[in-house]
Amino acid sequence: GAGVSQSPSNKVTEKGKDVELRCDPISGHTALYWYRQSLGQGLEFLIYFQGNSAPDKSGLPSDRFSAERTGGSVSTLTIQRTQQEDSAVYLCASSQGRGANVLTFGAGSRLTVL
Amino acid sequence: AQTVTQSQPEMSVQEAETVTLSCTYDTSESDYYLFWYKQPPSRQMILVIRQEAYKQQNATENRFSVNFQKAAKSFSLKISDSQLGDAAMYFCALYNFNKFYFGSGTKLNVKP
Repeated sequence: GAGVSQSPSNKVTEKGKDVELRCDPISGHTALYWYRQSLGQGLEFLIYFQGNSAPDKSGLPSDRFSAERTGGSVSTLTIQRTQQEDSAVYLCASSQGRGANVLTFGAGSRLTVL
Repeated sequence: AQTVTQSQPEMSVQEAETVTLSCTYDTSESDYYLFWYKQPPSRQMILVIRQEAYKQQNATENRFSVNFQKAAKSFSLKISDSQLGDAAMYFCALYNFNKFYFGSGTKLNVKP
């Protein structure tokens, strides 16, 4: 696609429910990043995918968080048993690949956990 | 450890005036990149300017320029002739080893 697409744009859920956030990167971009942006905060790194390499999961805050990237393209971030502190904007970004370090961001998914 | 610090949570500038946003960083690496990203209320992060650490010349993009002081690990953004559309959150970022490290952001208000 022309840009990085994220869905849903907004998601309201109840505490304890599972949610899935989707990211569709720019076609041909092999690197994909997930970030979390809490209110008034900077961007917190969550996970990084590069081609077929094992993802860098070092930023995932707990085992309730997981992500996958199918076919080297679309990625899904899953949060299980959501907590109120999970409320944030989840940003996805992609780049052309290793060493190509200009990120193109999606518009984010705002998650609100009641 | 890599860190990026933006010490100004919020700033204001009069339309047509010049404003400088501060950023300091810490890294033990010699090869890295620095960025300024803009995030308007639409939430879409937009690249403003990029600087390669090995280049001494400061990057410039139209009304946006940086003051890169490598020894001091300082990377400030200057916006000249500020426009209402410049109002946004601005994030400084450091890149190396396939990771980006972001500061906490500076909210820029532009007064008409």
